[in-house]
Amino acid sequence: QVQLVESGGGVVQPGRSLRLSCAASGFTLRTYGMHWVRQAPGKGLEWVAVIWYDGRKTYYVDPVTGRFTISRDISKNTVYLQMNSLRADDTAVYYCARSQDDYSNYGPFDIWGQGTMVTVSS
Amino acid sequence: SYEVTQPPSVSVSPGQTATITCSGDALPQQYVYWYQQKPGQAPVLVIYKDSERPSGIPERFSGSSSGTMVTLTISGVQAEDEADYYCHSADSSGIYVVFGGGTKLTVL
Repeated sequence: QVQLVESGGGVVQPGRSLRLSCAASGFTLRTYGMHWVRQAPGKGLEWVAVIWYDGRKTYYVDPVTGRFTISRDISKNTVYLQMNSLRADDTAVYYCARSQDDYSNYGPFDIWGQGTMVTVSS
Repeated sequence: SYEVTQPPSVSVSPGQTATITCSGDALPQQYVYWYQQKPGQAPVLVIYKDSERPSGIPERFSGSSSGTMVTLTISGVQAEDEADYYCHSADSSGIYVVFGGGTKLTVL
């Protein structure tokens, strides 16, 4: 069964760090671009980051550039989002999502995880 | 930064047709994808490449494009279609992903 399962969310103080994980099953990360998308409470979807299927490129939305890092471990078939210098406006549900077509970095997101909540508060 | 724009809300009666638009300068060059999201759930893809429908999505969902505007049409709206709908595209480089602000569809 093709699925994504996020973990690692929680409550963290401003300025601290958190690492989210997204475990993939039913397919290999070697051939799919992977994304993180977040949704602040009561707000819309915001794209956060992408890691290309070959692992060579990563890109980020402006507000997280320099603070967040997307990476992956092929041996564990897991994608990560390292979040540093967290701010109150990073509070959101964080989803990982898969690009639909293999050997594609973008396009539609056909598989989404259930999301993990990150709350940044003192 | 690049943005795509959706109306905040659309309301229709059951059986009527709902249209939700997504506009952006790069849309003539970039595909648009549409997602349905119900409260407490992850988004679900309902249209890809402007007008293609994934398997399992009812035929009443359709998409079209014209210049800088793309439209999601739901024909014969049912109560179960009440949800938030988001368009998804990319900037002119194709590298940076963007979502519209979302449209809340209310079935009266």
